[in-house]
Amino acid sequence: QSALTQPASVSGSPGQSITISCTGTSSDVGGYKYVSWYQQHPGKAPKLMIYEVSNRPSGVPDRFSGSKSGNTASLTISGLQAEDEADYYCSSYTSSIFVVFGGGTKLTVL
Amino acid sequence: QLQMQESGSGLVKPSQTLSLTCAVSGGSISSTAYSWSWIRQPPGKGLEWIGYLYYGGSTYYNPSLKSRVTISVDRSKNQFSLNLSSMTAADTAVYYCARGGVTKPFEYWGQGTLVTVSS
Repeated sequence: QSALTQPASVSGSPGQSITISCTGTSSDVGGYKYVSWYQQHPGKAPKLMIYEVSNRPSGVPDRFSGSKSGNTASLTISGLQAEDEADYYCSSYTSSIFVVFGGGTKLTVL
Repeated sequence: QLQMQESGSGLVKPSQTLSLTCAVSGGSISSTAYSWSWIRQPPGKGLEWIGYLYYGGSTYYNPSLKSRVTISVDRSKNQFSLNLSSMTAADTAVYYCARGGVTKPFEYWGQGTLVTVSS
């Protein structure tokens, strides 16, 4: 099972918006609504930020939003803040009832 | 609030078997509709799903690890375990337990435990 494809890095200035893409296939991202996004700060466990493509768990700021088009899911962070600097991972349910993660994207807040 | 805590051997010799346990508190591991997963992250690299235990008792493993992995549950202790055999240096990673898998997101995570494979 190949990992989902994410850009290695993205950057933005405080207050700006950035988007991280996550590309898979019709057997994973494109075929199901079960796409999630996780934020990971150095030395910490990942934190769920988005589930089922566009839903935010309680406590996650509405600056974080998710969407999907075809085989590509996206995480958008608006009003970028210094504390958003972290690694971000997408994941998807697959047709083989497995779970696949993206390779991760390092977000730098300039 | 659900809490999860990994424990087990932090240093494993090559060819030996890794054994880790995840203790769950603040909720029952027998709750329906939830799965319980193991996920790992090699130093400086991304996340890799290892496998999960479905609440009904079924297990599903990453095909790349399937021949070496066993996930089991001890409902009396509200915990689940990971055994990974024939360990090599490539298995050096932080190992996380998490609630989620199948169609459920990984909503709760343990803090992670570093496992190093070295003689």
